[in-house]
Amino acid sequence: QSVLTQPPSVSGAPGQRVTISCTGSSSNIGAGYDVHWYQQLPGTAPKLLIYGNSNRPSGVPDRFSGSKSGTSASLAISGLQAEDEADYYCQSYDSSLSGSVFGGGTKLTVL
Amino acid sequence: QVQLVQSGAEVKKPGASVKVSCKASGYTFTSYGISWVRQAPGQGLEWMGWISAYNGNTNYAQKLQGRVTMTTDTSTSTAYMELRSLRSDDTAVYYCARVGSVVTSAGDFDYWGQGTLVTVSS
Repeated sequence: QSVLTQPPSVSGAPGQRVTISCTGSSSNIGAGYDVHWYQQLPGTAPKLLIYGNSNRPSGVPDRFSGSKSGTSASLAISGLQAEDEADYYCQSYDSSLSGSVFGGGTKLTVL
Repeated sequence: QVQLVQSGAEVKKPGASVKVSCKASGYTFTSYGISWVRQAPGQGLEWMGWISAYNGNTNYAQKLQGRVTMTTDTSTSTAYMELRSLRSDDTAVYYCARVGSVVTSAGDFDYWGQGTLVTVSS
């Protein structure tokens, strides 16, 4: 049972927009800690996709965007492409656990 | 360019220990922290702990307290993670990742190592 809750899977057709939610609590996202998102392609290490709730590292397409409100955060991917098919994870800090926490991950399928 | 290069795959018996290394290059090692994250086969990411490369301060995940030790060697810009009393459910790919802070484990993981597969089997 992950501290941060994500849907196990989402899907969309090429060109569509999908969103992935990340729900936390008052000891992590709701306490004001930043949310970060990672993309993990099959057989590879995770890659930072969004940091500080809504910021994109250099090289990440602007099709990827992040937002945060209250005890939840969301990752939106617009203009879906086949290469976006991957697992996506949210991450934050939890004051009760005194450490970083991850969501359980969401598998994105491009139909 | 920033790189984190990890040591090779390991096979260990239950009850043994494993030590994984993570050699950093392309940045000032002591200006960042290193977190360790593991991923069991077919499962999600699990944060294991963090070490400040500046002063060696550590913060371990509660479930691993007492079994894990993280250290750094600033002379070689290398971080180490040792896990003791290995069990079958410790079988996983272990990743090191750079963290932007040297004072807190909170933060994003902006660069990752390639991963080290540790298999625990009798």
